Amino acid sequence: AQSVTQLGSHVSVSEGALVLLRCNYSSSVPPYLFWYVQYPNQGLQLLLKYTTGATLVKGINGFEAEFKKSETSFHLTKPSAHMSDAAEYFCAVSDGGGSQGNLIFGKGTKLSVKP
Amino acid sequence: EAGVAQSPRYKIIEKRQSVAFWCNPISGHATLYWYQQILGQGPKLLIQFQNNGVVDDSQLPKDRFSAERLKGVDSTLKIQPAKLEDSAVYLCASSSQRSGANVLTFGAGSRLTVL
Repeated sequence: AQSVTQLGSHVSVSEGALVLLRCNYSSSVPPYLFWYVQYPNQGLQLLLKYTTGATLVKGINGFEAEFKKSETSFHLTKPSAHMSDAAEYFCAVSDGGGSQGNLIFGKGTKLSVKP
Repeated sequence: EAGVAQSPRYKIIEKRQSVAFWCNPISGHATLYWYQQILGQGPKLLIQFQNNGVVDDSQLPKDRFSAERLKGVDSTLKIQPAKLEDSAVYLCASSSQRSGANVLTFGAGSRLTVL
């Protein structure tokens, strides 16, 4: 069975500081990995995804994530935080096989950005 | 393209009452999902449709929850009778082969409060 663990339910950074949101996964097959962002009272929006190929993946809004198979990790980073980055971030995994979906989500990490 | 439409956005009911949520996916998206997001947790898949057929409903509490997608387009999720623990945001998502493996587009969600 697949699972996702996001370390830290809340992360607070200052504007301009590095953002690091941690995600570790468990999967018995090569995983597909995703980061979604959720702003208050909105649905989830895809930030980036890893399926195959290059392990460093760039997404929208300056975010990127690196797939590290040896560490079973897919941490999300951004060099310089903006106030507009304040939101909840979800890491997700799927087996990528068969019909599309099903995504297994972590519990989420709420990012706060201080001025 | 228009996004995933959901209604109602908010619903408050008393326990043992019934409620229905509606979802209209992105035009042409064959796969439709209903997720349940309880406060403080990541979304959990309830049911996945491929066109008008059910692909996965293993986590749907079938004694009280039902869902249908009769014409392979829009979908309805019903809860009857509701319990206090059903208070959550119900997210609808859709995807297609064109959008790439497991890339789900989410609606804004329907927030249910059961008193």
